Amino acid sequence: AQSVTQLGSHVSVSEGALVLLRCNYSSSVPPYLFWYVQYPNQGLQLLLKYTSAATLVKGINGFEAEFKKSETSFHLTKPSAHMSDAAEYFCAVGGATNKLIFGTGTLLAVQP
Amino acid sequence: DAGITQSPRHKVTETGTPVTLRCHQTENHRYMYWYRQDPGHGLRLIHYSYGVKDTDKGEVSDGYSVSRSKTEDFLLTLESATSSQTSVYFCAVDEGKGDNEQFFGPGTRLTVL
Repeated sequence: AQSVTQLGSHVSVSEGALVLLRCNYSSSVPPYLFWYVQYPNQGLQLLLKYTSAATLVKGINGFEAEFKKSETSFHLTKPSAHMSDAAEYFCAVGGATNKLIFGTGTLLAVQP
Repeated sequence: DAGITQSPRHKVTETGTPVTLRCHQTENHRYMYWYRQDPGHGLRLIHYSYGVKDTDKGEVSDGYSVSRSKTEDFLLTLESATSSQTSVYFCAVDEGKGDNEQFFGPGTRLTVL
């Protein structure tokens, strides 16, 4: 079985500050891990994915995530937040079947 | 861009009426999915399809049925809509590269009064 936990349903940062969104997973098989972003009234867009290559994954818009097997984590970071980063972010795990399991999402607010 | 469209984009209906949502893709991908998105629950899988006429249930399938008679179309039907089915519905496809990456449609906002 697979599951995902996103810690913090709401995160607020100041513009220019570090963004850290947390994701922990559970998987009985080597996982594929994803971060998706959803802007208001839009569908989900892939930010980045881990599929067993490099453990540090770089995505779009300056985001990156590090796969840490020992911690079963895949936290999303960005060194300097921009107002345009305000959105909802979803972590997801796959690899056991052709299905993805999504976390409950983290709403990121960026304060000027 | 996996060429996914959903119709309608918005719908308001009344309790007890049947509703069908359509997902259309232009790339002939094998795998298609229907999710619902609700605050505090993220995305939950309703049904999915792994080929024409091949479908299976997800974690929240009660009250929903699906059909896939053509590769490009995946229909989600609420046989008798209830207020608890007010939600935003997303269709997704998997290109079949083996990495589970899914591409999402723009969503349908359904309100059941």
